[in-house]
Amino acid sequence: KQEVTQIPAALSVPEGENLVLNCSFTDSAIYNLQWFRQDPGKGLTSLLLIQSSQREQTSGRLNASLDKSSGRSTLYIAASQPGDSATYLCAVNYGQNFVFGPGTRLSVLP
Amino acid sequence: DAEITQSPRHKITETGRQVTLACHQTWNHNNMFWYRQDLGHGLRLIHYSYGVQDTNKGEVSDGYSVSRSNTEDLPLTLESAASSQTSVYFCASSPNRDFWNTGELFFGEGSRLTVL
Repeated sequence: KQEVTQIPAALSVPEGENLVLNCSFTDSAIYNLQWFRQDPGKGLTSLLLIQSSQREQTSGRLNASLDKSSGRSTLYIAASQPGDSATYLCAVNYGQNFVFGPGTRLSVLP
Repeated sequence: DAEITQSPRHKITETGRQVTLACHQTWNHNNMFWYRQDLGHGLRLIHYSYGVQDTNKGEVSDGYSVSRSNTEDLPLTLESAASSQTSVYFCASSPNRDFWNTGELFFGEGSRLTVL
């Protein structure tokens, strides 16, 4: 069964810290992997998409890496800000359907 | 601005009642999706549609139905609501059939349904 897990489930850090969110998947035959952000009471917003042939993608202070062989992806957030507080979900695409992880709830304290 | 809207945003109903959640998008996207989000499970696909009159079952379709009579709307119906269907429901749309390749998937703000 294709499963996606995210550790930790919740994370609280002081403003300015660099942090890493983890995503693991059981089936490495993926097309791509996407990181989403979800604010309370809101829908999901796409942050980064990494194709299976890529090792990493960057957008501003965000950097996502992908290691297909080990079934892992990380989302690195540099110089965290209170505005980064949200739930971050990874979604692994196995072809026309995403398998979503449960998310990591991030709180950045001022 | 074009957008995707869901209604109602919050609903409480009783076991056995029929419930319909509305999803409306103004982007003219052919592809629309319904997901449910439960604590610890991530989002799971309920039904999806690639165009008018096209509907398909997702991973957790039992107890749900959809219909697609126009491009803009994909209502989700719970024929006889059960407590296990208490969840947050998200509608999404995409302009591309290969949304899974482009990453272009746009979500509504969700509908929180409580079945008592």
